[in-house]
Amino acid sequence: DAKTTQPTSMDCAEGRAANLPCNHSTISGNEYVYWYRQIHSQGPQYIIHGLKNNETNEMASLIITEDRKSSTLILPHATLRDTAVYYCIVRVNSNSGYALNFGKGTSLLVTP
Amino acid sequence: NAGVTQTPKFQVLKTGQSMTLQCAQDMNHEYMSWYRQDPGMGLRLIHYSVGAGITDQGEVPNGYNVSRSTTEDFPLRLLSAAPSQTSVYFCASIKLGQGPNYGYTFGSGTRLTVV
Repeated sequence: DAKTTQPTSMDCAEGRAANLPCNHSTISGNEYVYWYRQIHSQGPQYIIHGLKNNETNEMASLIITEDRKSSTLILPHATLRDTAVYYCIVRVNSNSGYALNFGKGTSLLVTP
Repeated sequence: NAGVTQTPKFQVLKTGQSMTLQCAQDMNHEYMSWYRQDPGMGLRLIHYSVGAGITDQGEVPNGYNVSRSTTEDFPLRLLSAAPSQTSVYFCASIKLGQGPNYGYTFGSGTRLTVV
């Protein structure tokens, strides 16, 4: 699996967009970028994933650079409930299942 | 749907005791897995299963056993608890064969302390 690099922590004001970067410069052509988050003391929650196109769902948007060496998770209007640790994971997707290699992630603090 | 249910939520064991952490899902997911999370760390894979009767080891399998007799259940057994197994344990599942369209569903965790 490709290695990912994320900032240790970030702050964001409530109501503003939170932009969480992830560097994955060694990503292979068949590896997907996944984002999960973990709110304190809870199980991780899947947010979004993508291969090479930008993706958007009801939770967030994922912007992947053209060379796929980095990506940004965007929470368009952050709320206090978005305070969590955000994990960027790069992995080949397989119909036989796959393990998730969680690093230390980015601790996002949304402030009033 | 209840999703992924883990029991118990909290447990204190004495060194050398054994116990089973329960995990059940009602989403007909073939793939189930166990992770542990130590303070300030990411999650590490212990064991996983791609279907009933099939299990395999993850990154940190020592000291743990699993079995998969049904699609719904994937219990994790600690044979002889050690203080190093103090951790938060998460069960996760996903349905296979649907391509890269879904993420894992995680349980709410079991907080285990071994004294």
